[in-house]
This record gives sequence, structure tokens and C-alpha cells, in this order.
Amino acid sequence: DIVMTQSPDSLAVSLGERATISCKSSQSVLYSSNNKNYLAWYQQKPGQPPKLLIYWASSRASGVPDRFSGSGSGTDFTLTISSLQAEDVAVYYCQQHYDTPPVFGQGTKLEIK
Amino acid sequence: QVQLVQSGAEVKKPGSSVKVSCKVSGGTFNNYTITWVRQAPGGGLEWMGRIIPLLGVTSYAQRFQTRVTITADKSTSTAYMELRTLRSEDTAMYYCARAFYCASFSCPISLLDSWGQGTPVTVSS
Repeated sequence: DIVMTQSPDSLAVSLGERATISCKSSQSVLYSSNNKNYLAWYQQKPGQPPKLLIYWASSRASGVPDRFSGSGSGTDFTLTISSLQAEDVAVYYCQQHYDTPPVFGQGTKLEIK
Repeated sequence: QVQLVQSGAEVKKPGSSVKVSCKVSGGTFNNYTITWVRQAPGGGLEWMGRIIPLLGVTSYAQRFQTRVTITADKSTSTAYMELRTLRSEDTAMYYCARAFYCASFSCPISLLDSWGQGTPVTVSS
């Protein structure tokens, strides 16, 4: 199975500041036939189901504010929130869906400093 | 807009079984895959398995292979997840989620863009 490792496990950032979360996969999730990275990011707020934020490593899902961005390719990926808002407090998960089982990272808890 | 509505909370005894349902509305059931993900209290997301309702094809995580069965009723657009031989460690929130199905090998059948509200399952004697 592909192993997904996020860092850090938790992060405290001041309102309006940048937040950056890293996700590394144990093998490449770039599919050569279509040049797409099978890497997604989800946001989970307390008491809610996860919500898809980013797909294909860098495409924002419908309705996601443009302060959220994803980057990276192959095995190394980053989720960036350019200017943290109070409503961004959540746990963020990366997920590879290149292979079965489609494994999630362990999650990164984002809080306000 | 698609909605996934799950059945209500369950309390079960160790050794028993639980069956959770996930009704899909607002879309074409045969165009989707339905995945089940669980989350232990304070824990992360764990993929359990999925079904392609159009084909009736299932795939399971190895650790659940012998205890879980995922089914789909196309006539009611409802997917089910049954977990048997329950133990206390199975206490968790169980989610269903949708991805789009297509026949292409490159199809992202595990890109989960809509989720159910979750079903809490408590296993306790």
C-alpha cells in the first residue's frame, strides 16, 4: 500500500497569515497516461464530514475560496492557505487515489495562534 | 445537487453485526462509486471499501476483508455497509462518499466529492 505522511501533525497560525501543510507519498501518484497527480485534499471541521478542497493536486473544488491552493507532483505535495481565516480551523487530510486502497494521510490540525 | 443520507446511530454488542445504509438522491446512481470510510473517536480517516453499483463490483481494505460486505440496491439508489463480529475498536463514525464512475482505466473512482452526514456506531457490552 502507498503510505501518505503529512507534516506537521498540528499547526497554529495567526489570522491573516499563511498556513502550509506538506504531504508526501511513498511512491509517485502521477499517472503518466494523462499527466495527472491522483492527490486530493480534504477539510474536516469539528462535527462535520470531510469536504473535498483540492483535486488533481492543484484544482480547487467548486465553491472553495481562492486562498486555498495546492501544489506539487509525484511524491511531494503542499496545501497552502494564503491568508488564514477563522473559519479555516479544521483538520486537513491528503489522500492518494492513484491506487487501491486510496489511503489518507494522518491529518493536520490547523488552529489559530 | 447530489445528497447522501445515512441511517441513524447504532449501539451494538460485541460479536454482533451492524448494517448502515446510504441513500443517494439528486443524481444517477449508476454513474457513481460509493465508498465507505470510518473515523474512530479523535482519529483519522480509514478507507474500508467501495462498490461500483453499475457493475456490482466491490473492493475492500485488507484488514476488513473477512468482516465487511458492501452492497448496492439500484432500485432504491441505496448502498449498504455491513460489518460483522463487532469489537469495541469498531466504535467509530462511518461515512459513505461518492465518486464518479467511468469505464476508463484513468477514471478517479476514489475521488470523493460528496459525503454522507455520518453514522455513529458504538460497540459496547
